[in-house]
Amino acid sequence: GAGVSQSPRYKVAKRGQDVALRCDPISGHVSLFWYQQALGQGPEFLTYFQNEAQLDKSGLPSDRFFAERPEGSVSTLKIQRTQQEDSAVYLCASSFSFREGGNIQYFGAGTRLSVL
Amino acid sequence: GNSVTQMEGPVTLSEEAFLTINCTYTATGYPSLFWYVQYPGEGLQLLLKATKADDKGSNKGFEATYRKETTSFHLEKGSVQVSDSAVYFCAGGTSYGKLTFGQGTILTVHP
Repeated sequence: GAGVSQSPRYKVAKRGQDVALRCDPISGHVSLFWYQQALGQGPEFLTYFQNEAQLDKSGLPSDRFFAERPEGSVSTLKIQRTQQEDSAVYLCASSFSFREGGNIQYFGAGTRLSVL
Repeated sequence: GNSVTQMEGPVTLSEEAFLTINCTYTATGYPSLFWYVQYPGEGLQLLLKATKADDKGSNKGFEATYRKETTSFHLEKGSVQVSDSAVYFCAGGTSYGKLTFGQGTILTVHP
């Protein structure tokens, strides 16, 4: 596709349920990032992939959060045993290269997760 | 770690007014700096960027200059339009692209 695609756009989960959020990056983009955006706040980094390798997962808030990108394209962010504090918009971004610090990230529209 | 501090909003202006949104950063070294914009109902879009000291980024009438001495990257526009109403985020980037965002500033422009 032309841009970064995320699905679903909205997800409502009962506390304790597991959820899986999908990101389809722009074709050919090497770098993929996940961010969490709480209401009224800026996005916060969760994790980074270079192709299929997860090189930085320092932002994952707990071991209930897990991300993968097995073939270096589509990525899935999984949250186990969801809690109310997990309610946020989850953003995915991709960029063509990791080599330049000023490289542009293209963001998806996000998945809004509401945990009841 | 890196941090970005953005002026608190919201900011409300009349059309054709001058806009400044302040942004300062704290980082090890000199990160690349960005302004992203989020229009209502849309995803984050890059507005402009600067990759080194004294660089000026510009786009759609917006400008920001990377000031190493004051560790700032303030966003300015000489004459805002109603269509500029959006949320603006300042961000700093690491060498591989990880972004640290400010909290965002809501801009509302009235006719």
